[in-house]
Amino acid sequence: NAGVMQNPRHLVRRRGQEARLRCSPVKGHSHVYWYRQLPEEGLKFMVYLQKENIIDESGMPKERFSAEFPKEGPSILRIQQVVRGDSAAYFCASSPPPASGNTIYFGEGSWLTVV
Amino acid sequence: LAKTTQPISMDSYEGQEVNITCSHNNIATNDYITWYQQFPSQGPRFIIQGYKTKVTNEVASLFIPADRKSSTLSLPRVSLSDTAVYYCLVGINTGTASKLTFGTGTRLQVTL
Repeated sequence: NAGVMQNPRHLVRRRGQEARLRCSPVKGHSHVYWYRQLPEEGLKFMVYLQKENIIDESGMPKERFSAEFPKEGPSILRIQQVVRGDSAAYFCASSPPPASGNTIYFGEGSWLTVV
Repeated sequence: LAKTTQPISMDSYEGQEVNITCSHNNIATNDYITWYQQFPSQGPRFIIQGYKTKVTNEVASLFIPADRKSSTLSLPRVSLSDTAVYYCLVGINTGTASKLTFGTGTRLQVTL
């Protein structure tokens, strides 16, 4: 998976707590994507960011979810006041500055369990 | 968004060639077609990408007809370790938006 690093790999949160998922893209990649995968389902696009800018957040719930990709440091997907329905695998992917046909590379995912 | 349709599942015996077809009737002119493989509890892994005609790499071939409304991933001589979910992804990265849409995936089961 070309070096996209996600942490934590597994996270357990009680209902109402906050979850923070981190993603370090492949070195040199300036664009990050977050996808969510529910058990036995496909990947759903959430948000697409470049450094210090959200390009497309059309797949992200309007409430409780936020994402950032600061100039320095990893991209963070933040889920406030988690509910059981947030339990899922969250995958981050990265790509170089976009051009036709650029491939995106995925990390190994962060599994969130809300109890 | 270019919607994709794939068979939900396929079965194969080890050593056979497997062809998985993805339909994407409303593919846009600039869209590329990319296939990923996903094992349980792992992230999707890039297999192959193409725009038209045929693309081949060390693990697979991708066949895209002239109208580009479908594509076929061909896995030669599959082994048990090829058991996974295969996703067809249609779209393109642009500077202003990324419309990369995953289909439901095809669950390939390879047996002896």
